[in-house]
Parts: sequence; structure tokens; C-alpha cells
Amino acid sequence: DQQVKQNSPSLSVQEGRISILNCDYTNSMFDYFLWYKKYPAEGPTFLISISSIKDKNEDGRFTVFLNKSAKHLSLHIVPSQPGDSAVYFCAASAARNTGNQFYFGTGTSLTVIP
Amino acid sequence: EPEVTQTPSHQVTQMGQEVILRCVPISNHLYFYWYRQILGQKVEFLVSFYNNEISEKSEIFDDQFSVERPDGSNFTLKIRSTKLEDSAMYFCASINRGETQYFGPGTRLLVL
Repeated sequence: DQQVKQNSPSLSVQEGRISILNCDYTNSMFDYFLWYKKYPAEGPTFLISISSIKDKNEDGRFTVFLNKSAKHLSLHIVPSQPGDSAVYFCAASAARNTGNQFYFGTGTSLTVIP
Repeated sequence: EPEVTQTPSHQVTQMGQEVILRCVPISNHLYFYWYRQILGQKVEFLVSFYNNEISEKSEIFDDQFSVERPDGSNFTLKIRSTKLEDSAMYFCASINRGETQYFGPGTRLLVL
């Protein structure tokens, strides 16, 4: 049962342009969402998070948007840089304060073309 | 900056053998997790561990799997009798209450 979905397995963007990565979820109990970045042969690295009480969270070049009614979140990277090339996973959890498991999407491989 | 460490980085084993994957979580963290990622597939939750006991586990985490925190610093995942389909990247993660999970670099397990 795929509770978190990333429907685009890959995305290519020119350096300097905006990268938009999308994620959909099905469980309305999810209240905490994260984006992770993963390079080959490394563990996922936390990028940015958002709780369900907000609809936007910004950290430098990274902004996450949450649309609860559509059960959709997106990660915007602007401007995109070649070093951003990696696989991006979105993850979701219910009841963030109890250490519940995180459900991961299948990932989107971002390539930023210099 | 504190980080989660995992050993070994790579493990090759014969089918039916036991393997133990080791993790050292961040020292003040309270919750510990194991995930795995089969090549080309999504990251899958295996088990979470809190207060010296399993708090949640997935269907994947059957009787062949066990976890332990033997000495207050290490967090281990044991697979008693490995199968070919256990070949994957295994990630340990730790979390303090209400915060983000921090992942280790992973152990690549190959079962032959």
C-alpha cells in the first residue's frame, strides 16, 4: 500500500531555474512531512520539513508547500544548482511526537544541467 | 556535528547465514529505526525501537529479524537466516522527540 507517492521518477532542470518536485499522500492522519536528499551510496539527508499546521516552510533556496485538502506537497528549489543533483524522497508521519515510522515515497531523481 | 554511524559499510553473505548490522545512533536520541531500500525501490520501514523495546514494526520484520540495544550505544539488526531477497541497503536512523530522523550512511547487504 503506497501511502506516499512520487509520480515523477526523474526530473531535469537547467542550472539557475526552478526545480519543483511533487509528492502525494493518501493518509489523512499524516501531520508531519519531510524531504530528504540522497546521494548514491549514502544515507538520506534531511532537507526540510513541514507540519500540517502550516502550508509553507522556507529555508534558503528550498521551500516546501503543503496542500492538505489535495494531500499534496511540493519542494521548490530556486535557483537550482548542479550540486542539487540527487534523489529526493518525501516522507510522512502521523503524530510526529511519538516517534512513529515515516513512510517514504519512491524518490525523484533530479538532474541539474550546468 | 553528531551523526549516525553504521558498520559494516558492505556485507556479503551466503543464503541461510546470520548477519548482524550495527548502528551507533546520535547519543541523546531516544527513538531508533531500521529501514531498508532494495535496489531501485522505495525506502521501507522495518522497525522502530524506544525504551529498550520494539514500538512498531512492519510486515517485513518477521521472525527472522531481531533488534537489540545491547550496551546503550549500539543498535543492532540481526537477520537469522538470510534470504536472497534480503539483499538491500539497510539504513539506521535515530530521532529525538518530535524532531527529524537522522540517517546513517547505510550497510549494503548482498546475499548470495
